[in-house]
Amino acid sequence: EVQLVESGGGLVQPGESLRLSCAASGFTFSSYEMSWVRQAPGKGLEWVSFITSGGRTIYYADSVKGRFTISRDNARNSLYLQMNGLRAEDTAVYYCARCPWSYRAMDVWGRGTTVTVSS
Amino acid sequence: EIVLTQSPGTLSLSPGERATLSCRASQSVSSNYLAWYQQKPGQAPRLLIYGASTRATGVPDGISGSGSGTDFTLTISRLEPEDFAVYYCQQYGGSSPITFGQGTRLEIK
Repeated sequence: EVQLVESGGGLVQPGESLRLSCAASGFTFSSYEMSWVRQAPGKGLEWVSFITSGGRTIYYADSVKGRFTISRDNARNSLYLQMNGLRAEDTAVYYCARCPWSYRAMDVWGRGTTVTVSS
Repeated sequence: EIVLTQSPGTLSLSPGERATLSCRASQSVSSNYLAWYQQKPGQAPRLLIYGASTRATGVPDGISGSGSGTDFTLTISRLEPEDFAVYYCQQYGGSSPITFGQGTRLEIK
């Protein structure tokens, strides 16, 4: 079964850091581009970051550029999001998603992990 | 950045009716890299359509996508109870390569 499982969310104070992980199974992880997408409480979807299959090309939304870092370990079938300088507006459910290059879309999603930034 | 504007914000229809959802882009979407997702409360989004008109695996043929350039449409030919949800469009391209529309809530009338 194709599956993505996020972990690492939690409650942190403004300015602190958090590292999210996404464990992939049931498919050849190293062959797929991946993204992080977030959803603030009661709001719509917001794309956060994208990484190509080999990790050479990376994009970020302007709202997180310079604070968040996406990475992957193809040997461990894992995707990561290092989040520094967290702000209240980063509070959201964070999803990892598989992005087949031919689709330019996200065909498999995890269930998400919740990040809450509050003092 | 390409901005996607979805309309209407909320669509109230009855089961059995036809639903037409719109997604308009602020500039032409590259190679029609336009996708549609369905999201139900407490669940992750589900891919319905990619490439503007290609149904994802397992999506029934009563759901279809059309359009090109800046204007795209998602059509549900005959609404079933499970179709009432929030729908998002998403494009790939431009300087900030991935953007989502703000969503259309499809509710039971």
